[in-house]
Amino acid sequence: QVQLVQSGGGVVQPGTSLRLSCAASGFSFSSYDIHWVRQAPGKGLEWVAVIKYDGGHKFYADSVKGRFTIFRDNSKNTVYVQMDSLRAEDTAEYYCANGQYCSGGTCTDDLFDIWGQGTMVTVSS
Amino acid sequence: QSVLTQPPSASGTPGQTVTISCSGSSSNIGSRYVFWFRHLPGSAPQLLFYTNGRRPSGVPDRFSGSKSGTSASLAINGLRSEDEADYYCATWDDSLSAWVFGGGTKLTVL
Repeated sequence: QVQLVQSGGGVVQPGTSLRLSCAASGFSFSSYDIHWVRQAPGKGLEWVAVIKYDGGHKFYADSVKGRFTIFRDNSKNTVYVQMDSLRAEDTAEYYCANGQYCSGGTCTDDLFDIWGQGTMVTVSS
Repeated sequence: QSVLTQPPSASGTPGQTVTISCSGSSSNIGSRYVFWFRHLPGSAPQLLFYTNGRRPSGVPDRFSGSKSGTSASLAINGLRSEDEADYYCATWDDSLSAWVFGGGTKLTVL
């Protein structure tokens, strides 16, 4: 079954850290870029970060740059986002999704057709 | 303040055609494909269309998108009650080196 399964959400205090995981199954994970997207309560969707299929390039939203780190372990078919120095405004439902498929030196456009189920992160004292 | 600008709300009656706009700039919409998503609270977003002409399998052809200059639009033909949702445009921004989303449009089927 083609799926992304997320884990790692929870309630944490401001200034602390949390790591989210996004584990893939049923497709060639190591050929796909992976995005993280979030939605704060009552707000719209916000893109968070993306990591290339081989982990070679990573891009971040300004709102998380310097605090969040995206990385992957292709041997475990898993992408992670390490969230440090968490703030109340990081409270959101977080989703992972597939991006470009890359093979033989060429990549498709971003696909966004496989999504994780979402995981809630609450930052509160 | 979102980089991409969408109207906060839109509405229509069943059977009508509704169009949702998305305005950007030369560093995003003007030079990139625009992606359109539907999102219902509590579930993952769903890609509807993007302006390379791709509609994922399972998405009805009632949904279509277009782009002109630095603006894009999503058209929903034959509106149905189940189309009530939040709709978002998104694309890569060359100046920011980041993906950007519009603020979202809440569609109401009257």
